Amino acid sequence: QQPVQSPQAVILREGEDAVINCSSSKALYSVHWYRQKHGEAPIFLMILLKGGEQKGHDKISASFNEKKQQSSLYLTASQLSYSGTYFCGTDRSNDYKLSFGAGTTVTVRA
Amino acid sequence: DVKVTQSSRYLVKRTGEKVFLECVQDMDHENMFWYRQDPGLGLRLIYFSYDVKMKEKGDIPEGYSVSREKKERFSLILESASTNQTSMYLCASSGGGTGELFFGEGSRLTVL
Repeated sequence: QQPVQSPQAVILREGEDAVINCSSSKALYSVHWYRQKHGEAPIFLMILLKGGEQKGHDKISASFNEKKQQSSLYLTASQLSYSGTYFCGTDRSNDYKLSFGAGTTVTVRA
Repeated sequence: DVKVTQSSRYLVKRTGEKVFLECVQDMDHENMFWYRQDPGLGLRLIYFSYDVKMKEKGDIPEGYSVSREKKERFSLILESASTNQTSMYLCASSGGGTGELFFGEGSRLTVL
């Protein structure tokens, strides 16, 4: 079952912040985050394992609330290079088989 | 650099044709996947393979089959293409550990 991502799209000016949410109705083992630029392959950003840890990648960080089966991706002080479509992928049983959300398109403008 | 290569970036086929999409990875990964990407639906898993000659159905396997005769190569087969199979197809591999997926650049298939 695919996780639900919100919002579908967000437009930012450089330096602004944004939050992308990913929620599942099923218990999760891990949550992955990927970014895809137009015409390119999705690129791995980070993985969060159950346990509620938070991780960071430059000024992009994420958290995983195991009780709510929800993960959030935080874009802080956004840069033009952050533009793209962000996907969360959820793994329910540590079998590397990810179910992806529909994606959130982020547009950062100068 | 790690690499997942998909043989064709763009294909145009007619309804009823047999279609082969090839994927090769150079990372010695055990796990390989085929996803289909459609606007508003994200990536949906078609088939995956944990080892040579081994395959398992994903969420939307109907109308597709796969073949994995060698560790580095995973093929997606459309036995009789239909217009509703017009889509972007993404191949990915992972080597276990964190399960990070490495994606190819995709094959955009149009079925007329």
